[in-house]
Amino acid sequence: EVQLVESGGGLVKPGGSLRVSCAASGFTFSTYSLNWVRQAPGKGLEWVSSITRSNFIFYADSVKGRFTISRDNAKNSLYLQMNRLRADDTAVYYCASAPNYGDHPFDYWGQGTLVTVSS
Amino acid sequence: SYELTQPPSVSVSPGQTANITCSGDKLGDKYACWYQQKPGQSPILVIYQDTKRPSGIPERFSGSNSGNTATLTITGTQAMDEADYYCQAWDSRASYVFGSGTKVTVL
Repeated sequence: EVQLVESGGGLVKPGGSLRVSCAASGFTFSTYSLNWVRQAPGKGLEWVSSITRSNFIFYADSVKGRFTISRDNAKNSLYLQMNRLRADDTAVYYCASAPNYGDHPFDYWGQGTLVTVSS
Repeated sequence: SYELTQPPSVSVSPGQTANITCSGDKLGDKYACWYQQKPGQSPILVIYQDTKRPSGIPERFSGSNSGNTATLTITGTQAMDEADYYCQAWDSRASYVFGSGTKVTVL
């Protein structure tokens, strides 16, 4: 059974930093593209970042230069380092897997972890 | 940037057909997929590559994509289908793009 479990969310002040993680199991992690998608309270889904199986990295313009995605295939884990956080970064952050980057859907999603940016 | 537009809401009676549209420039030239999200839950994939259903998704869910519009159709809608539905496509410049979401209400 495929499982994606996010952790590391919490309350952080504007300008602060936070790292969220995603632990994966039930599939060959190293062969998949991994993604972060966020959802602000009461709002829709917003793609944040992707890292391919070859470690090519892509970011949404809204987080470029502030967020860093990484993966550790030995630990079957995905990470998102978030710096210079702003109030509009407040959201549930989901990790999602895809067979490849590009015209491939996000076939499995985690349960999400809530990040709240507030003073 | 690339944008996908969905109607905010669709209402359907039980047993009837719901059509949820997703519009974008030359969307028919891309693959569209659809996610269902129920309150407090994570999204799940219900249609990919325009028309394909993942394992475990009921046959009443179907999709099409042509011109500037992709459509998710729920035939014989059930109360359990009440949820938010999001379309998604990949654009070579904008990367992954989600639609604004459509709330389906089964009256």
